[in-house]
Amino acid sequence: QKEVEQNSGPLSVPEGAIASLNCTYSDRGSQSFFWYRQYSGKSPELIMSIYSNGDKEDGRFTAQLNKASQYVSLLIRDSQPSDSATYLCAGGRGGSYDKVIFGPGTSLSVIP
Amino acid sequence: NAGVMQNPRHLVRRRGQEARLRCSPMKGHSHVYWYRQLPEEGLKFMVYLQKENIIDESGMPKERFSAEFPKEGPSILRIQQVVRGDSAAYFCASRKAGTANTGELFFGEGSRLTVL
Repeated sequence: QKEVEQNSGPLSVPEGAIASLNCTYSDRGSQSFFWYRQYSGKSPELIMSIYSNGDKEDGRFTAQLNKASQYVSLLIRDSQPSDSATYLCAGGRGGSYDKVIFGPGTSLSVIP
Repeated sequence: NAGVMQNPRHLVRRRGQEARLRCSPMKGHSHVYWYRQLPEEGLKFMVYLQKENIIDESGMPKERFSAEFPKEGPSILRIQQVVRGDSAAYFCASRKAGTANTGELFFGEGSRLTVL
């Protein structure tokens, strides 16, 4: 069983729509969750972190965490072609010694 | 303030040779992670190190792979007797120690290894 799972996609949405990306995790000890964006041929960059149940908003991005369901999501509002990338969900237990595990990523394509 | 620096960016080796990949973390960061990424796949955890200490190497293959992060100098991922299946992008990431926001990793540009 994979520790962090995501739909591989590709997910296609029209420009201006809401893109919804989902992630589930198996380790109930996980406390910290992250969404990274990776453009083709580039390195991952952190776009959101979330530690508590509920929603966290940052500009057009909203991360949602439900620890009871072991579920994390990322919503991208008003999607732009520049949002086209692979989105990696990651989780860790937090603390001083934290192995951060990544999911396989979801490929998002925003169609102009 | 330089980011995470990896070199070489591209490395070509023949089967049986050794590959050495280097990573200098961001200034002030004492934790280093190595991940491997195959084309169209996610990041696979390999090893997590602090200076002079391997914290978790559960993702490292048992043979041919080793990693170190000495007191002085960069972290090094070493692959001995490379095989074609080792061809991948190897990403290094670093983070600060002792911060509340653990797990916020900053990545280097990656080292792309090609084994002929």
